[in-house]
Amino acid sequence: DGGITQSPKYLFRKEGQNVTLSCEQNLNHDAMYWYRQDPGQGLRLIYYSQIVNDFQKGDIAEGYSVSREKKESFPLTVTSAQKNPTAFYLCASSRGTGQNTEAFFGQGTRLTVV
Amino acid sequence: GENVEQHPSTLSVQEGDSAVIKCTYSDSASNYFPWYKQELGKRPQLIIDIRSNVGEKKDQRIAVTLNKTAKHFSLHITETQPEDSAVYFCAASIRGFQKLVFGTGTRLLVSP
Repeated sequence: DGGITQSPKYLFRKEGQNVTLSCEQNLNHDAMYWYRQDPGQGLRLIYYSQIVNDFQKGDIAEGYSVSREKKESFPLTVTSAQKNPTAFYLCASSRGTGQNTEAFFGQGTRLTVV
Repeated sequence: GENVEQHPSTLSVQEGDSAVIKCTYSDSASNYFPWYKQELGKRPQLIIDIRSNVGEKKDQRIAVTLNKTAKHFSLHITETQPEDSAVYFCAASIRGFQKLVFGTGTRLLVSP
């Protein structure tokens, strides 16, 4: 069953803690993305990666970090420096061959700070 | 950087009416414009996309138009049905950069 998988679906974090959200795809896509979704603000780009071992900051990268050690995986760490981390996080991937193509989304992780 | 504005934020129509959602983009190098539909509690899914070498594209009840000079593109849904109720997002991407920037979304409500 091909696709893009995020885990966990729900995550609770205490203030001051770092947490890592998982994103795995078996679509053989080069490009991967992390978006944050807040009510009324659409999808805001946190980080994106066009190829393994390379990634760029999006519009709201502060307080987040990523790695891209494998083509299939693009984990997102929400650090304690992120002042308002409670949100819905969506990971996506696309073929990324230079000709822009459809992005496929995971089911999302809802992060809540308690 | 690229910026995408989307209007309206909410849209209510009667079943059978048409719905139009408009987006503008800032970077003239953008060349790919997808539209996504997100139903409540689900992931966004692509419903139609258009590239900058095309002015209009249709797929059954859905159409997208692109005006490169004015840097805006629109989604048109005809003969709306209650199952069209969802949040719709436009996006723009610059060729080769694989950076998809989204609008803020439009909540469409189709009443029976």
